[in-house]
Amino acid sequence: QKEVEQNSGPLSVPEGAIASLNCTYSDRVSQSFFWYRQYSGKSPELIMSIYSNGDKEDGRFTAQLNKASQYVSLLIRDSQPSDSATYLCAVNRYSGGGADGLTFGKGTHLIIQP
Amino acid sequence: EAGVAQSPRYKIIEKRQSVAFWCNPISGHATLYWYQQILGQGPKLLIQFQNNGVVDDSQLPKDRFSAERLKGVDSTLKIQPAKLEDSAVYLCASSPGTDTQYFGPGTRLTVL
Repeated sequence: QKEVEQNSGPLSVPEGAIASLNCTYSDRVSQSFFWYRQYSGKSPELIMSIYSNGDKEDGRFTAQLNKASQYVSLLIRDSQPSDSATYLCAVNRYSGGGADGLTFGKGTHLIIQP
Repeated sequence: EAGVAQSPRYKIIEKRQSVAFWCNPISGHATLYWYQQILGQGPKLLIQFQNNGVVDDSQLPKDRFSAERLKGVDSTLKIQPAKLEDSAVYLCASSPGTDTQYFGPGTRLTVL
């Protein structure tokens, strides 16, 4: 059974600063990693996926993966109040990638202070 | 393109009663998932369908939960009988066979 660990927070960051969210996973053979954003009362929304060691950038978001340390992170630059949400880290349930079911962490509650 | 549809959006029942949730995935998406999200936790996969076949139901409490996906399109998740600990949001998601899963708005179940 894969486990995904996240600090539940809340993580409070001033507007305009960089928010750093972290996630560790237990299964060394995990291949695909995802960050979802979930606003209160809403369903999860995919914001980043990453498969290879290193950094992947998309606008203000950067995902970082270190498979040796079994560590995934998400950086949000120029944080905006609209970024306030719970961020869920997820890994493929199996190692095949594709349309496998996901194992989620509990999520980190991020608060951007105006 | 229409998103994943779920109904009802909210349901309140007494323990030991039965309840059913309905999901209509995005048109053309062969893969459908049901997740359970308890307050303060991440979603937990209950069952995954590929067309109308079950791919993974290892975390489905089969003594009380059942799910079906007739004709490989809509799906129904049933709980019978419900327990207090089943209070959660039940999320349906679909995928065209890639890594991206599209979630519906969820059904919030309260068991009293």
